[in-house]
Amino acid sequence: EDQVTQSPEALRLQEGESSSLNCSYTVSGLRGLFWYRQDPGKGPEFLFTLYSAGEEKEKERLKATLTKKESFLHITAPKPEDSATYLCAVQAGSGGYQKVTFGTGTKLQVIP
Amino acid sequence: EPEVTQTPSHQVTQMGQEVILRCVPISNHLYFYWYRQILGQKVEFLVSFYNNEISEKSEIFDDQFSVERPDGSNFTLKIRSTKLEDSAMYFCASRGVGGLGEQYFGPGTRLTVT
Repeated sequence: EDQVTQSPEALRLQEGESSSLNCSYTVSGLRGLFWYRQDPGKGPEFLFTLYSAGEEKEKERLKATLTKKESFLHITAPKPEDSATYLCAVQAGSGGYQKVTFGTGTKLQVIP
Repeated sequence: EPEVTQTPSHQVTQMGQEVILRCVPISNHLYFYWYRQILGQKVEFLVSFYNNEISEKSEIFDDQFSVERPDGSNFTLKIRSTKLEDSAMYFCASRGVGGLGEQYFGPGTRLTVT
């Protein structure tokens, strides 16, 4: 069974204080690892897909990296509007598998 | 910007009743999904739908659940006989041909079973 573990559960940062969120995974045949952002009472918002170890993606203050066992979401000089829950998810298997397994998320709070 | 819409935003029903949750995916998308999120817990995959049939479903998606794409725009989730434990936020999502994982989620329907 695919497993996704995120840490820490919650993170409080001062505005401008850079940090990283961790997502470790155990799957059979990774097809893709995804990062989403979820605001309270809303659906997840897609951020990145990473396909293979060594890959990196960037978007504004966010940078996602992938190794064979984990992924990191680096947040550089965060702003209060970056406050949200960040979700990691994986899709594994071969062929037409569509199932996506989510982690429990890291709730980020950025204090002005 | 195109978006996924869901109705209703909140549905209250009594245990044992049937409910239908409705979604309008992004128009040129081909893959459709339902997820649920129990309050304070993680997002859980229920079912994926492609080419007018279920392509994959989780162990949560038992005989009480069904999905349908009755026309070219709507995608529905039906729960035949609701249980208290079905209370959750239900999200619909869709994606295009490429972009593995690039699913666009709707705002969700909060289902409360009393």
